[in-house]
Amino acid sequence: EAGVAQSPRYKIIEKRQSVAFWCNPISGHATLYWYQQILGQGPKLLIQFQNNGVVDDSQLPKDRFSAERLKGVDSTLKIQPAKLEDSAVYLCASSVTGGSYGYTFGSGTRLTVV
Amino acid sequence: KNEVEQSPQNLTAQEGEFITINCSYSVGISALHWLQQHPGGGIVSLFMLSSGKKKHGRLIATINIQEKHSSLHITASHPRDSAVYICAVVTGANNLFFGTGTRLTVIP
Repeated sequence: EAGVAQSPRYKIIEKRQSVAFWCNPISGHATLYWYQQILGQGPKLLIQFQNNGVVDDSQLPKDRFSAERLKGVDSTLKIQPAKLEDSAVYLCASSVTGGSYGYTFGSGTRLTVV
Repeated sequence: KNEVEQSPQNLTAQEGEFITINCSYSVGISALHWLQQHPGGGIVSLFMLSSGKKKHGRLIATINIQEKHSSLHITASHPRDSAVYICAVVTGANNLFFGTGTRLTVIP
C-alpha cells in the first residue's frame, strides 16, 4: 500500500511569513495526526482528526496555527505568521482507528524559519 | 516529568556490538511502539507490542507490562543501524506519548 505522503519535504521562510504543509494519509485510515518535532526532542502532537472532525487540538497554538481535513482524507497544516521557534520537522501520521493497530508516519516536512 | 523516558540519550557502538535501548513509561498503555528515525526526518515503525517479545531480523523488542518497561535490542550492529530510535506508547484513551529518542551511532 502507498505510504503517508507529505509535501513539501523542505521549506525555508522568513519570520512573519506564512507556510502550508500537506498530508495525504493511507487510504482508509480514519485518524490523522500532525506532530511537531523540534531538534533533540520527541514529536509533540499538534492536532488529531477522526475523519473530518477534530479529536484533540489542545497543544495547537491556535493564534498562529490552523489545520483542516475538510473531506476526511487529506489535510493541510498552516502557520501564519511564522516565528523562529517554529523551526522543526512537521510529521503527519495516520492510523486505522486511534492507533492501537499501528501508526504510519510520513517522511516529514523540515521547516526552517530565518 | 515525561510520560515516556528513554535511556541512553546517545549511544556510540563499534560495529558488531550488541546494543540495548531502554524505555520506561508511567501511564497505562494499550500498546508500545519502537520507531526508527533517519536524519531526513522520516519515521519507520519497527515494532508494535503489547506483551512479550517480538523479533525481526537483528532487532528484538521486549516489554514487561508489570514493570512498565520495554527494551529494544540490536544484535551484530552495523553502521546502517545508525539512527534515532524512539519509544512511543498508546494509552487506553488513544493518546500517543513519545520518548525523546536515543541517537545511535555505529562506527565501522
